[in-house]
Order: sequence, then C-alpha cells, then structure tokens
Amino acid sequence: DQQVKQNSPSLSVQEGRISILNCDYTNSMFDYFLWYKKYPAEGPTFLISISSIKDKNEDGRFTVFLNKSAKHLSLHIVPSQPGDSAVYFCAASALGNQFYFGTGTSLTVIP
Amino acid sequence: DAGVIQSPRHEVTEMGQEVTLRCKPISGHDYLFWYRQTMMRGLELLIYFNNNVPIDDSGMPEDRFSAKMPNASFSTLKIQPSEPRDSAVYFCASSSREAQPTGGERKRTEAFFGQGTRLTVV
Repeated sequence: DQQVKQNSPSLSVQEGRISILNCDYTNSMFDYFLWYKKYPAEGPTFLISISSIKDKNEDGRFTVFLNKSAKHLSLHIVPSQPGDSAVYFCAASALGNQFYFGTGTSLTVIP
Repeated sequence: DAGVIQSPRHEVTEMGQEVTLRCKPISGHDYLFWYRQTMMRGLELLIYFNNNVPIDDSGMPEDRFSAKMPNASFSTLKIQPSEPRDSAVYFCASSSREAQPTGGERKRTEAFFGQGTRLTVV
C-alpha cells in the first residue's frame, strides 16, 4: 500500500517558468517531509525538507508547501532551469524514522 | 566523508545464483536503509537497521532476500536464489539523529543515498 503518492509520472516546463510537483500522503502520523532529486545512474540527493510544524520552507529557487489538512505537499521551482531536469521523489517519515517514498515525477525543463 | 558507498555498481548474474550487495554507510550514522527502485513502486523500502539491529523487514519481498549488518560500517543484502524479477536498482542509504544545541529531542537528518547497484538477473 503506497503511503506516499506522486500521481504525475512526468512534467514538462519551459525554462524560466515555474515547475510545480505534487505529492499526497495517507498517514497522518508523518511529521517530516522531504524532496529528493535523482539524475540517471546516480543515487537520489536531498533537496529540501519541511517539518509538520511549518507550512512553507524556502531555499533559493526551491520552495516546499505543506497542507496538513489535505495531506498534500508540493515543490515549487522558480525559475526552472534545464539543469533541474531529473526525477523528483517525495518522501515522508514518522517517529520511526523510516522514509517512505513516492514513485517519482520526471521533470523536463525545455530550453 | 566519501558518502554512502555501494558495491558493485553493476551486477549481472544467472537465474538461481546467489547475489550479494554491499554497503558502507556514512561514519557516525546509526540508521541504514535498503531500497529497491522499480517503475511501479518507486523507491521501495526493503529493510532498515538502527544501531546495527534490524527494525523493520516487512518490505523484504520473499525469504530469498536477507540482510545483515554485522557492524556499524558494513551491511549486505543477499538474494538466494536470484530470479529475473529481482532485476532492479538497489540503493543503500544512511541517516542519523543530530543532537540540538539547545538540548531536547534529537533532530532527524535526511537520508543520504549511495549510487546504487544495478542488478540484472538473466
């Protein structure tokens, strides 16, 4: 049973525009959420995280929004750059410290 | 630190053979995770350890899969016998909880991943 879901397998965006990647979760006990970026033939690398006590966290061009009532989080990238083209994984964790990942969204930023 | 180190990077084996994947976590990390990446399930957690002790192995697909962590700096994932449907990329990751300057609950860190082992069973 997939506790973290990314319903969009792929997304294409023009360079300079905003990329919005979405993620939904089912477990209300999750209190820590992360986004990872993965290039081909490499392991996922941490991008940004947010604790459940916040509803927004920003780091440069990357902003993560958390809507606890809707059990939804999103990653905004603005402006999008060709180097952002990768697979993005959403992950969530509860007190047990194991990380549950979604199936990923492949982002293509078109120059 | 060199990060999480996995070996081999690629493994091709015949059905029925034993396969052993290896992982060296980041020094000082007390959590170690084994994941498998598939198109259908994304990054699927197989098992994780805390202080070398297996905590949750409910993601291990079958008895053919086993994992060990004999010490804080080494873990193995073994498949015996291997089958073609085991073909996937297997990732090892590690993380820890950092003490906070003000005390209180230790803050969880993100998981750091190795580069993965691409397993092909023919």
